[in-house]
Amino acid sequence: QVQLKESGPGLVQPSQTLSLTCTVSGFSLTSYSVHWVRQHSGKSLEWMGRMWSDGDTSYNSAFTSRLSISRDTSKSQVFLKMNSLQTEDTGTYYCARNGGYRYAYFDYWGQGVMVTVSS
Amino acid sequence: DIQMTQSPASLSASLGETVTIQCQASEDIYSGLAWYQQKPGKSPQLLIYGASSLQDGVPSRFSGSGSGTQYSLKISSMQTEDEGVYFCQQGLKYPLTFGSGTKLEIK
Repeated sequence: QVQLKESGPGLVQPSQTLSLTCTVSGFSLTSYSVHWVRQHSGKSLEWMGRMWSDGDTSYNSAFTSRLSISRDTSKSQVFLKMNSLQTEDTGTYYCARNGGYRYAYFDYWGQGVMVTVSS
Repeated sequence: DIQMTQSPASLSASLGETVTIQCQASEDIYSGLAWYQQKPGKSPQLLIYGASSLQDGVPSRFSGSGSGTQYSLKISSMQTEDEGVYFCQQGLKYPLTFGSGTKLEIK
């Protein structure tokens, strides 16, 4: 069955770089896109970026120059790297599979990884 | 960016009651709207996509409607397991954007 699982450090120091991995199973990264979405402590959701099935990427301009998304199809993994972290980057980070064609929506989500930015 | 305005922010409903949540987009999103349910400590789950298509496995008491800039999610008979926070999301233009959420509780 389709599964996504995020992994990464729970604590990052301010100004440092966050590195997260999304490991997927039950589908191919060359057939489906994967998004990254974050949530601040139970509040609303914020779309960060997308790894397209052809390897292209799209980013939310709110994270311009700080965010990078890449993948390793042989390992079924999508990576998120975001630098210059601040306390306001604290939250839960999710990876989610894209379910649509004409429109983008998220049909499967990972469990999320809680990231705290603190010294 | 397309702004998604969701209302109400919270509501409580009795078992068996019909519940409606609204979502307004700042521009026409041509039915590119999805609804999600999130329970405490869990990731969001897709309920509706394309404004009115029911995701596989979602109970038929959930339905979505709307067009243009105005959309709604209806729960035809509130159940205890329907408690949670509901989000709308537009999938037409990047950046993809979400509503601020509606917290639904049992009265």
